[in-house]
Amino acid sequence: QKEVEQDPGPLSVPEGAIVSLNCTYSNSAFQYFMWYRQYSRKGPELLMYTYSSGNKEDGRFTAQVDKSSKYISLFIRDSQPSDSATYLCAISNAGGTSYGKLTFGQGTILTVHP
Amino acid sequence: SAVISQKPSRDICQRGTSLTIQCQVDSQVTMMFWYRQQPGQSLTLIATANQGSEATYESGFVIDKFPISRPNLTFSTLTVSNMSPEDSSIYLCSAGSGELFFGEGSRLTVL
Repeated sequence: QKEVEQDPGPLSVPEGAIVSLNCTYSNSAFQYFMWYRQYSRKGPELLMYTYSSGNKEDGRFTAQVDKSSKYISLFIRDSQPSDSATYLCAISNAGGTSYGKLTFGQGTILTVHP
Repeated sequence: SAVISQKPSRDICQRGTSLTIQCQVDSQVTMMFWYRQQPGQSLTLIATANQGSEATYESGFVIDKFPISRPNLTFSTLTVSNMSPEDSSIYLCSAGSGELFFGEGSRLTVL
């Protein structure tokens, strides 16, 4: 079993739709949760960073963490064609020798069509 | 946030040669890492670049193949040694002091 599982999609939605992207993880030591957006031929861009259960909102993006279920989500409201990219969840341990090291999901390819 | 610059952005190399990739951060950071992203794949951690000491390598990666330096809190290099076509990949530098940011990557093609 991989430490972080993410549905690779691809996911195709119409403009204006609400998008839900999800990851599950197996290690309860993971404490920090991130979502990155990666456009083709670009480096990953940090979208959201959280370390607690619950919701964190930033504009059209909401990150949700459920530590009891080891489940994280990213919601995109009013999706735009410019949101078309690969979305990567990334998870990190709280400390020790693993501090800061990110374990990535496989990435979900999202296409928002006009 | 931290702005990370990588050089070169891309290169085509011959089998058996070595290439050094540079990573420069615009501010002092606690952590620096090197990742590899193979075509169509997610990111795999190569090593943690430790300031003033030897890097910490992940399983499957060794110092002789991927020597890393980090002389200060804003700069690191990754060398890909004795390259083969299997080393063709994107190499990414990541840095931060909590949140982690990425450079644009160095796209390496080995012929």
